[in-house]
Amino acid sequence: DVKVTQSSRYLVKRTGEKVFLECVQDMDHENMFWYRQDPGLGLRLIYFSYDVKMKEKGDIPEGYSVSREKKERFSLILESASTNQTSMYLCASSPSTPDSEAFFGQGTRLTVV
Amino acid sequence: GNSVTQMEGPVTLSEEAFLTINCTYTATGYPSLFWYVQYPGEGLQLLLKATKADDKGSNKGFEATYRKETTSFHLEKGSVQVSDSAVYFCALERGYNNNDMRFGAGTRLTVKP
Repeated sequence: DVKVTQSSRYLVKRTGEKVFLECVQDMDHENMFWYRQDPGLGLRLIYFSYDVKMKEKGDIPEGYSVSREKKERFSLILESASTNQTSMYLCASSPSTPDSEAFFGQGTRLTVV
Repeated sequence: GNSVTQMEGPVTLSEEAFLTINCTYTATGYPSLFWYVQYPGEGLQLLLKATKADDKGSNKGFEATYRKETTSFHLEKGSVQVSDSAVYFCALERGYNNNDMRFGAGTRLTVKP
């Protein structure tokens, strides 16, 4: 079975903390993505990466950074967590082949208090 | 830019009713179009896709036809079941390396017995 694994299902962090969300895929995919999912807003792209050490901003990168040191791992970093970053975070991966589907992790529900 | 607009939910139907969830898109060129489904507590998974105009994607009794003239990709099912209760996302992929994926806001479907 193909797999995208996110390190935590639930996280509670304090305002101002530095937060790391980890995602690992075992399919040797070139592309990896971080989305946040909010009611009524659907999935909004934060960052994506198309290769090791490469990254591109999505629609809402402010307050976030990412790291991709190895092909299988893509980390999302909240430099200083704020309450408006309370959300569900979804990681996905896909091959670079056009028209291919994306595979998603189960999500991390982050609460910032 | 590339974007997807879905009909607002939630949608509540009785078992065996007909389902339509509307989706329209805005994109340069000819994107590939997808429907993803998210069952409770899970990540998104591909339901069906279509990669060019007039293509019909189908899976598990669901269908959607890529209509270039109306820039639409509406999801239909003739007879829904309780097990179809989930959130449905329309999405488009537009990128040379399959790395520009955009999702709609999602439509929550509840099917009552």
